[in-house]
Amino acid sequence: DQQVKQNSPSLSVQEGRISILNCDYTNSMFDYFLWYKKYPAEGPTFLISISSIKDKNEDGRFTVFLNKSAKHLSLHIVPSQPGDSAVYFCAASADSGGSNYKLTFGKGTLLTVNP
Amino acid sequence: ETGVTQSPTHLIKTRGQQVTLRCSSQSGHNTVSWYQQALGQGPQFIFQYYREEENGRGNFPPRFSGLQFPNYSSELNVNALELDDSALYLCASSLQAPPGSDTQYFGPGTRLTVL
Repeated sequence: DQQVKQNSPSLSVQEGRISILNCDYTNSMFDYFLWYKKYPAEGPTFLISISSIKDKNEDGRFTVFLNKSAKHLSLHIVPSQPGDSAVYFCAASADSGGSNYKLTFGKGTLLTVNP
Repeated sequence: ETGVTQSPTHLIKTRGQQVTLRCSSQSGHNTVSWYQQALGQGPQFIFQYYREEENGRGNFPPRFSGLQFPNYSSELNVNALELDDSALYLCASSLQAPPGSDTQYFGPGTRLTVL
């Protein structure tokens, strides 16, 4: 049962344009969402996060939007750069009384930014 | 401040053998989580340790076990290896904090191949 879904295995965009990566979740107990970027032969690198009490969080070129009613979040990268080419994972966690912060990941989306 | 490190980088074992993977957490972090990432999948939560005690477990059998030490290092042990255990094993450290600030920082992973 995939609780976090990234339905696009890959996305290709031109340098300078906007990249939009999407993520859907089914577990209504999730209250914290994160995006990680992963290069080959490296571990996932934390990118940006958002709490369920917000609907938007910005950090430089990266913005995450959360639509709780639709159980959907998206990551916008603008402008996209060739160095952004990587696999992007959406992850979610539920605060179960402060005792378990396990992350549930999607399968990832491979972003390719073409020069 | 040092990052999360893991050893070894690669490991080849045969079915039925036992393996120990090691992780050194980011300085000051009291929580370590282990994840298994199979090819083409997102990381899957194995278990989490908080202050040297198991703090939560995913859907993995008891032959997956762990330890966390006072110096922030930790181990993942897998007994009776099976072919399906071939994967990238990631550890992530974090500082248990109030909800909404659960950022886990990942190491580069250990690639385990079971023949």
